[in-house]
This record gives sequence, structure tokens and C-alpha cells, in this order.
Amino acid sequence: GAGVSQSPSNKVTEKGKDVELRCDPISGHTALYWYRQSLGQGLEFLIYFQGNSAPDKSGLPSDRFSAERTGGSVSTLTIQRTQQEDSAVYLCASSLQPGVSYEQYFGPGTRLTVT
Amino acid sequence: SQQGEEDPQALSIQEGENATMNCSYKTSINNLQWYRQNSGRGLVHLILIRSNEREKHSGRLRVTLDTSKKSSSLLITASRAADTASYFCATDLSFSGNTPLVFGKGTRLSVIA
Repeated sequence: GAGVSQSPSNKVTEKGKDVELRCDPISGHTALYWYRQSLGQGLEFLIYFQGNSAPDKSGLPSDRFSAERTGGSVSTLTIQRTQQEDSAVYLCASSLQPGVSYEQYFGPGTRLTVT
Repeated sequence: SQQGEEDPQALSIQEGENATMNCSYKTSINNLQWYRQNSGRGLVHLILIRSNEREKHSGRLRVTLDTSKKSSSLLITASRAADTASYFCATDLSFSGNTPLVFGKGTRLSVIA
């Protein structure tokens, strides 16, 4: 596809369950980012990948959150034992290279609701 | 702590008026970007201004950058109802240029027809 895609678009899960969110970046983009946005708030940086490695995991809110990227392409964000405060829109973005000189292209997001 | 912060948090104007949003940041930057978000979903890149530039135009958008004041402004001229969205500035955290972007909390713009 031409843009960044994310799946699922919406996810409702029960507290305590694990969820996996998927991001398909633009082909050839080496950098991939995960953000979280709570209702009416700004973007909270979670983690970014350069290739398959994650130089910066500082934004992950707890050890229940993990992410991986394989083949320099698809990334999966996993949240274990979900809590209600995990409810948010999870946005993925990719860019040609990491850093502020490069425009980030965003996917449509996954709206996660933990009941 | 937040690197970039937009001001005002919310802005409501009539169609045809100009809208000005400001962004302040704390540390030296390489470049600054502005993004737009409709309906809480994916962001769309609007414009990038480099640290050695003072002003940049793109259609009805005008962005200024004052590195001495660590601030930037986004001006939308002759606003339209379709400009209703949240607008975010994004900067980096260091001068190395190889760090993720940090977004502010955004300005919610409402353009009333």
C-alpha cells in the first residue's frame, strides 16, 4: 500500500487480557514509531525502531508493554494484562530515516478500549 | 518534560479569518515540524522549517521560527471550515538530529462557517 496501515482499527478487550497491535510502515522507511494518544491529549511517545532495533524504549509506560519489528518492516506492539488506563488511540508512524529532518507518515491508529 | 507546547489550547474563529497558533520549546533544535490531526486519528505533515530559516510558506500556511525565543508560529490565512482540526508542533530532543520527534499537546482549532 501507499501509506502506513494499522490493524485492527478498533479493539475492545477485557481488563487483564493481552492485545497485539500491528503496524505496516511505508516500504523502504527505516524508522518506525509508536505513540499513544488519550482522549483530547497530545501524543505520548512510546518507542521507535531504526531497522529492527529499538534505540529508544524510554517511553514505554511499564513492563507490560513491548514491541518488536521484524525484517525492517512490520511492527507489533503488545500490551500484556491490559488495564483500563491503557485505553487510548495507538498511532504508528514511519519515516525514511529517524530524526527531525524527516517527515513522519502516520497510520490511522488503533483505538483500544479496555473494559 | 514537554519539549514543545502549543498555545492557545483551543481557538475558535469565523470562516475567512486568520488563525495563529504558537509553539514554544525548551532546548536547541535542528528543525521544527507542524502536523494536523482530524478526529483523533492519524496526523498529517504540514510543513518543516529548518533552524536556519525564519519563515516558510505553503499555500495558505505561513510558519515562522525564532530560535532566540525558542518559538514558532503557524498562521492559517483565510480559514475554512475544513481547517477545523488539532495542530501540533514537533521538535527533537537534542542537537544530534537523530532522535524521535516530540509532539506538544496541540491547539484545537474550530472554524465556524
